[in-house]
This record gives sequence, structure tokens and C-alpha cells, in this order.
Amino acid sequence: QKEVEQNSGPLSVPEGAIASLNCTYSDRGSQSFFWYRQYSGKSPELIMFIYSNGDKEDGRFTAQLNKASQYVSLLIRDSQPSDSATYLCAVGASRMRFGAGTRLTVKP
Amino acid sequence: DTAVSQTPKYLVTQMGNDKSIKCEQNLGHDTMYWYKQDSKKFLKIMFSYNNKELIINETVPNRFSPKSPDKAHLNLHINSLELGDSAVYFCASSQVGKNYGYTFGSGTRLTVV
Repeated sequence: QKEVEQNSGPLSVPEGAIASLNCTYSDRGSQSFFWYRQYSGKSPELIMFIYSNGDKEDGRFTAQLNKASQYVSLLIRDSQPSDSATYLCAVGASRMRFGAGTRLTVKP
Repeated sequence: DTAVSQTPKYLVTQMGNDKSIKCEQNLGHDTMYWYKQDSKKFLKIMFSYNNKELIINETVPNRFSPKSPDKAHLNLHINSLELGDSAVYFCASSQVGKNYGYTFGSGTRLTVV
């Protein structure tokens, strides 16, 4: 079992729609969870972090965490073509483990 | 000012050669990392240094040797390069106790021919 699993996609949504990205993790003791965005040929860029169960909102982005289910998600509201990128789920602080990423395409 | 800078950005070299990648951060962070991203975009941790001390050494061939002269610098030396070493290598930094994720450098695309 991989430590951090994501649907590889690609996920395609129309402009203005909600994009939903999902991630599961295997280490039940994990405390820190992150979402990174990576444009093609660029480095990962942190967009959200969450530590507590529930929802955390930042602009058009909402991260959701359910530690009992070992599940993290990212919702992107009012998706824009500029949101087209690979989204990486990451778990842990001192030894951050990444999922393989979900490629999102937002079509105008 | 670039927060985490890596050099070179691109590196093309022949099998069997030895090469180095350098990383510097000006964020005042005390921990630095090397990650390898393969062709399938999977990011895998290789090494981590905290205040010049090696704290993470994943299962990596001993042809790879990191060195941290001070907490702002982390270098990666690779001996006897192989085709399978072709990847993008990212340097990253963070601050222990401030759990705000890692800041990544722009990456070094290594191609072994």
C-alpha cells in the first residue's frame, strides 16, 4: 500500500465548476497535511495546509480532513483555466510524503 | 530575492560522470531536503539535514552523497551517473516547529545520456 494515494486523473472540469481532488494516507499517526500545486516544468507551490478534522477555507480553496477515514480532499470553487496543474497531496512534517498527484484541466 | 535557489537548472551528462547540484536558501530555515521527481511526477524524499546534521537518509544508492556546509546550503554530489538517475531534483527547506510546509527550489533537470 502506498503511503499517500491520489487518483492520477486526468480530471477535467469546465470553467466555473467545482473541482474535487481526493487523497488517502496510510499512517494513522499523521498530523500534518498539505496540498501543493505544480505547473508543468515548475516546482511545487504550497496552496493549503490543514491539521484538524473538518474544513479549512482560503479564498476559492477548501481543504477537508477526516483523520478517522484517513482522507484529505481539496475543493476548488469557480475553477479557472489558470488552475490547470497537477495537485500534490502531502502528509507529514519532518518527513513529508507525497502522492503521485492529480492532473487537473479546467476547460474554458 | 529567490527564497530557495538551485544550480544548475539543467544538467546533461554522460553515463559514468560525476556531477554536483547546489542549493541555497535565504529564508533562515534550519532544515533542508533533497527530493527526486521521476518521469511520472512522483516526488520522493532522499535526504534531509537539520542544522548541518543528516537526519533523513532514505534508501538511496551510496553514489549519492549530500553535504551541508551550513544551514543555508545543501549540495548533492552524484558519482558514476546512470541512466536511471535522470529526473528532476528539488531542494526544499522548512523550519522545525513552524509547520507551514516546505518551500521548494526551482529544480534541476538531470539528463544522463
